[in-house]
Amino acid sequence: NAGVTQTPKFRVLKTGQSMTLLCAQDMNHEYMYWYRQDPGMGLRLIHYSVGEGTTAKGEVPDGYNVSRLKKQNFLLGLESAAPSQTSVYFCASSYADRSTDTQYFGPGTRLTVL
Amino acid sequence: AQKITQTQPGMFVQEKEAVTLDCTYDTSDQSYGLFWYKQPSSGEMIFLIYQGSYDEQNATEGRYSLNFQKARKSANLVISASQLGDSAMYFCAMRETSSNTGKLIFGQGTTLQVKP
Repeated sequence: NAGVTQTPKFRVLKTGQSMTLLCAQDMNHEYMYWYRQDPGMGLRLIHYSVGEGTTAKGEVPDGYNVSRLKKQNFLLGLESAAPSQTSVYFCASSYADRSTDTQYFGPGTRLTVL
Repeated sequence: AQKITQTQPGMFVQEKEAVTLDCTYDTSDQSYGLFWYKQPSSGEMIFLIYQGSYDEQNATEGRYSLNFQKARKSANLVISASQLGDSAMYFCAMRETSSNTGKLIFGQGTTLQVKP
């Protein structure tokens, strides 16, 4: 039982390049989330999914796209990377949306855009 | 709009002493959950403790307890008998049940340093 895993752990991109971050969970959770963490700020929600085949925008969705083709996977794409997207990206999952449902986080991906 | 405020950017505590990390929240929902996460220097987010808005008793998990004062909209984390391994950043977060999204709203975090 690996919980929530993220690949890659580190990545350096040049401005304008594209990439996809992969999140996988083996807890059969319905809900999955992508957050970004910037210095001096808490985590901010980029996109989320309430089930396979669904996605929705969070607080800071611009410049990102997501897909949830399989229940266990949630992909975050950067179509044309910008220096402002330099951040640590966290994926999380939870069983449902009840107030008691704990979100479990992956280890994070540190992305630098030059 | 819902908001989490952590007013202490950094805190110091002597090893073996207790420390309180402050968290206030703003919501118009009656049903919500409050969470604390720990982020050590290695970067992962570790769930510590949960408090439901309808829970009458303060939550406790080992050395962690949550001082929940609903009328004041505060949910402070108390760490008893601090250890060197408690040095980390701590985040307070809230989930509103009415949003049906399960998303968490995070505070800006408090960095705790435990002195030997």
